[in-house]
Amino acid sequence: GAVVSQHPSWVICKSGTSVKIECRSLDFQATTMFWYRQFPKQSLMLMATSNEGSKATYEQGVEKDKFLINHASLTLSTLTVTSAHPEDSSFYICSARDTRRGAKEQYFGPGTRLTVT
Amino acid sequence: KQEVTQIPAALSVPEGENLVLNCSFTDSAIYNLQWFRQDPGKGLTSLLLIQSSQREQTSGRLNASLDKSSGRSTLYIAASQPGDSATYLCAPRGSSGDKLTFGTGTRLAVRP
Repeated sequence: GAVVSQHPSWVICKSGTSVKIECRSLDFQATTMFWYRQFPKQSLMLMATSNEGSKATYEQGVEKDKFLINHASLTLSTLTVTSAHPEDSSFYICSARDTRRGAKEQYFGPGTRLTVT
Repeated sequence: KQEVTQIPAALSVPEGENLVLNCSFTDSAIYNLQWFRQDPGKGLTSLLLIQSSQREQTSGRLNASLDKSSGRSTLYIAASQPGDSATYLCAPRGSSGDKLTFGTGTRLAVRP
């Protein structure tokens, strides 16, 4: 149980275009979802937290107009990188938790590698 | 602001050795702490979760301990195997909110 999927697993896009990454909880309802970014040889940094049906809360230094997050349903969150630039190339990982059930763990997706050329 | 340090940054051991990975954090007001494994280019696999009221958790060959007051956690791996080779991350969760703060990890290589 507690499986989180991400799509796509990797994507290459041209500078200036937008890319959407999906995060789905497959066997539980994720009332809260989290988006992280990981640069090579570095640890995960939380970008934003989203609760179903409400606006995402962004961490300091993360541009909300550039990284659009939509938590559309209890099983789906999307991250759209708008007007992507090479410095946005990174490994993006989502996680999810069923806060209504008081679940204590966050379950992580397999990640999406974004390369902006 | 929570800061998490993991020592050593990298470790190479022969198969069969018992080993200890260390994690220290600056803010002891945590709700719980998770240990994760990350294989190259992959997502995270949760290994163990310790609540702030617990001292340790065990799963198979893995044992994690928590000393909340001193801001430390250790992950003990018994009888290491080549399949244990990965990066191990610890992440305490703050007592308010959901935020996990990750360390930079320990890269483990177990030689056959």
